[in-house]
Amino acid sequence: QVTLKESGPVLVRPTETLTLTCTVSGFSLNDARVGVTWIRQPRGKALEWLAHIISNDEKSYSTSLQDRLTISKDASKSQVVLTMTNMDPVDTATYFCARRLENDYGKNWFDPWGQGTLVTVSS
Amino acid sequence: DIQMTQSPSSLSAFVGDRVTITCRASQYISRYLNWYQQKPGKAPKVLIYGASSLQSGVPSRFSGSGSGTDFTLTISGLQPEDFATYFCQQSYSTRPYTFGQGTKLEIK
Repeated sequence: QVTLKESGPVLVRPTETLTLTCTVSGFSLNDARVGVTWIRQPRGKALEWLAHIISNDEKSYSTSLQDRLTISKDASKSQVVLTMTNMDPVDTATYFCARRLENDYGKNWFDPWGQGTLVTVSS
Repeated sequence: DIQMTQSPSSLSAFVGDRVTITCRASQYISRYLNWYQQKPGKAPKVLIYGASSLQSGVPSRFSGSGSGTDFTLTISGLQPEDFATYFCQQSYSTRPYTFGQGTKLEIK
């Protein structure tokens, strides 16, 4: 059974750096064409893709947030870490990690997702 | 970035109805279009990938179609458990991926 679980602080102060960890099970971070992605969702709003990292260590970031984001993985620990610097109240959201899958035809999608973790940015 | 526009933003329907949700991309994305369902307080789950491929375990009343810039998600014979929010997502450009704003499906 494939599962992902997000962990990190519930509350972050403005200007601080957020560090979130996604711990996966049921698959390896070194599996071919498999990756982990981070997505966030402010309460009642749309999904916003943040970053991903795939098995060959290729990384990609949101255009609007790329200067603040860093994604990395530790396959031996089955963990993917996302850091976001200079947090602001507008970054308050539920943060999800998900497995990125790709088939033989290059189609890719996110499945499954973790349960999400709510991060509040407030002084 | 590729912009994804869903319509309608919300709709009401009866159990048993057939409903269609539309997603339009701001540029050509071939068939790199996925659909997700999200229930309140839960993570999204994939329904359709590659525009029309049904994810394993998803009921056959869900179907997807389209290519290029225009796509649809159809639910034939709405069930009570289908009332949720639906998002489309393009995976043609991975730098960055983008989602639609969501369509909230409510019971009438």
